Order: sequence, then C-alpha cells, then structure tokens
Amino acid sequence: EPEVTQTPSHQVTQMGQEVILRCVPISNHLYFYWYRQILGQKVEFLVSFYNNEISEKSEIFDDQFSVERPDGSNFTLKIRSTKLEDSAMYFCASGRAGNTGELFFGEGSRLTVL
Amino acid sequence: TQLLEQSPQFLSIQEGENLTVYCNSSSVFSSLQWYRQEPGEGPVLLVTVVTGGEVKKLKRLTFQFGDARKDSSLHITAAQPGDTGLYLCAMDSNYQLIWGAGTKLIIKP
Repeated sequence: EPEVTQTPSHQVTQMGQEVILRCVPISNHLYFYWYRQILGQKVEFLVSFYNNEISEKSEIFDDQFSVERPDGSNFTLKIRSTKLEDSAMYFCASGRAGNTGELFFGEGSRLTVL
Repeated sequence: TQLLEQSPQFLSIQEGENLTVYCNSSSVFSSLQWYRQEPGEGPVLLVTVVTGGEVKKLKRLTFQFGDARKDSSLHITAAQPGDTGLYLCAMDSNYQLIWGAGTKLIIKP
C-alpha cells in the first residue's frame, strides 16, 4: 500500500541552525501539506502546495519557513533559523484532491531545538 | 475563528463497553474527517463525512454527521484494547484542515 514517508524521524538541532525535513508523498498525489503538532497540543496547518507553488499558508508559516519540491518526488520543509518554539512533530501529508477530503499522513519528523 | 471542540478530552473504560465521543463546531463545515493517532505517529484517516445526517460504519465504529453539519459523533461498540489512541476530528476549511484537540481513549483489558 502506498504511503507517505518522512525523514528524519527525529532531529535534534541547536537554536539558530537551519533544518530541512524531507517527505516523499504518494506518487500520484498532487496536493502536499505540512502540519505540525507541538507536544500535547492540536495539530496545526502550516502550508499547502500545489502545481509547484504555495496555495495556502498559516500565520505560523513566516519568513523562516520555506517549502520546495526539488525533483518531482521529494517535498521539503526548511526552517532557516530554528527557535526553541519550533520544537514539534512535523507531519507531511498528500492527497489527490485539493479539498482535503482524503489526506494521507506520514509518520512525522520530531524536531527538538535546544 | 473556526473552532472544533471535542469531548470528552479523556476517556478510560473497560474492554467490552460502548462509548461515544463528540466533535462540535460553531460553524457549518463542508466535510469532516475522523482520524486516529497513536503516540509518535501521524494521524490515520478513519472516515470522511460530507452529507448532513450521514452515518458511516467501520466495523465496530459508527460515525454520524449532524443534520446541520455542525457536529459529529463517533460511537464504538464493544471497545477493545486495540482501540486505544487519540481520536481527532478535523474539518475542511479553505483547503486546509482545522483540527480538534482530540479525545484520548484508553481501553483497559
């Protein structure tokens, strides 16, 4: 069964460092998303991506964040200069349709900023 | 601001019992999804409900969408320890999902 895969599963970094989280969405999906979940809190939307551009982004997704689909299979989330409050689980999701009717989530990348 | 409220926040019951958890919104949603999330893993989609009054069954799980499309419930019959997890509802809003905080369910053997 096709699945969304994410790497790394866990990354520890120092405050101020750049981090890149990688995702391989399901191959015939066209819509890609990043969500995050701070420990014990709600899942929060970060950004959606379609046709090689951002379609929606939340207030959380400020200038420190960027997304890219560099090679047609990977979908990456970059945080330029990490802050302590960026510590969270980051989930990538993909879907066939843009109305989020059926999203498939990866297992997440846990980011710990020290 | 659209909000989804889930209740109860936490539920611990014995194996074999029935339970219902709820998801409510102050605004009408076009569609609502229920997910189950285990610790350290991503949410796994259980069901999507779209039509007011819709009822969907997934083995021992019954999902209902309120007629006014502002609320939904998940009923589990004869709960089993394998049902333990965090049950999240999420609604579609402008091509993003708005999430509830979840109901943490523990089924004791």
